[in-house]
Amino acid sequence: DIQMTQTPSTLAVSVGDRVTITCRASQSIVTWLAWYQQRPGEVPNLLIYKASTLRSGVPSRFSGSGSGSEFTLTISSLQPDDIATYYCQQYNSFPLTFGQGTKLEIK
Amino acid sequence: DVNLVQSGAEAKKPGATVKISCKVSVNRFTDYYIHWVRQAPGKGLEWVGLIDPDDGEPVYSHHFQGRVTITADRFTATAYMELSSLTSEDTALYYCAVVGSPAITRYVQHWGHGSLIIVSS
Repeated sequence: DIQMTQTPSTLAVSVGDRVTITCRASQSIVTWLAWYQQRPGEVPNLLIYKASTLRSGVPSRFSGSGSGSEFTLTISSLQPDDIATYYCQQYNSFPLTFGQGTKLEIK
Repeated sequence: DVNLVQSGAEAKKPGATVKISCKVSVNRFTDYYIHWVRQAPGKGLEWVGLIDPDDGEPVYSHHFQGRVTITADRFTATAYMELSSLTSEDTALYYCAVVGSPAITRYVQHWGHGSLIIVSS
């Protein structure tokens, strides 16, 4: 199985901050990576696929980058609506696997 | 538009089997892969498996060691997930989720509200 490791697990943030979350795969997944946002009490929401392609309707303050085994999700200027847990997911091979999540908390 | 309606919560005893459903409203049911993902209380997301409704071919996570069966009924546009030999570690919210287009198979865009399965003696 491909292990996905996100850092940090928790991040204290303020509105307006630039936020970066890292996701590392245990082997190369090329760019077969998706990012999801899960607000408290809600279902996950797809933000980005193929490492850097923004899903239609997702605010442009979100961006993804990386290839191979290291990836980042960046929020350029955090908004209150962005307080959530973020998960990366590899879809290079089965079983599909998720990172353990990065929870954003208000500082 | 895509809409997924899942069956309600289930309470089961250890060793039992549970089967939950996911009614999918989409243009062509057979065009969209359906995934099942679970989330234990306070924990992260875990992929269970998927099915191609066109040919009924499933792919499972080996972590479920043959305990899971995913099926799809094209006539009722409903997907099912059956999990057997339940233990307390199977207590979780089980989501069905659908891909965003027929060209996509492995990441999902539309989610059901989840079906809670509680396993307790």
